[in-house]
Amino acid sequence: ETGVTQSPTHLIKTRGQQVTLRCSSQSGHNTVSWYQQALGQGPQFIFQYYREEENGRGNFPPRFSGLQFPNYSSELNVNALELDDSALYLCASSLGLGLGDEQFFGPGTRLTVL
Amino acid sequence: SQQGEEDPQALSIQEGENATMNCSYKTSINNLQWYRQNSGRGLVHLILIRSNEREKHSGRLRVTLDTSKKSSSLLITASRAADTASYFCATASNTNAGKSTFGDGTTLTVKP
Repeated sequence: ETGVTQSPTHLIKTRGQQVTLRCSSQSGHNTVSWYQQALGQGPQFIFQYYREEENGRGNFPPRFSGLQFPNYSSELNVNALELDDSALYLCASSLGLGLGDEQFFGPGTRLTVL
Repeated sequence: SQQGEEDPQALSIQEGENATMNCSYKTSINNLQWYRQNSGRGLVHLILIRSNEREKHSGRLRVTLDTSKKSSSLLITASRAADTASYFCATASNTNAGKSTFGDGTTLTVKP
């Protein structure tokens, strides 16, 4: 276990709805990254938060947004859900922004959009 | 397309055999990391190798990096059924600081 937790574990939504996923980072880690992993593919970087500020974003539309709180936990919000948003959403925490920092991944949230 | 691409896509071996997976990437990197993922769960970090390193070991794992060929390999020796999982390489570089770029993985099946 990495100490990174995510909630909920599974979620079913319908097209057009909004969803909020949550992540608690490992103790002492101030950086959280979010990834989307479609079935049979590798994780795709959504964005990263460092000390409550967004620090880098992948190729995802603005309806994907996030927050990081003073305790470094984080939320991923997705508006106007589409069928293609069905995926495993992973968050990863790390100690800093250094390129050599190991990322610790949570177990993921499985989102199904019907 | 993904920065890292693993090869083969799928590998099936007998327990006790060695498994070798390869990763190729396109642009220069600062480091390359290998991860394991069991059946759609979270990723487990295995090894990080920096661009100035050529080889690293961790238990039954051996990772090599050839920056001239922009490739890396992961060798698992004396494989066990518990090694059955998907394995991903992820690269990080100055040009995309904060972002790890993953390939689509190699699915390893170790038969008892």
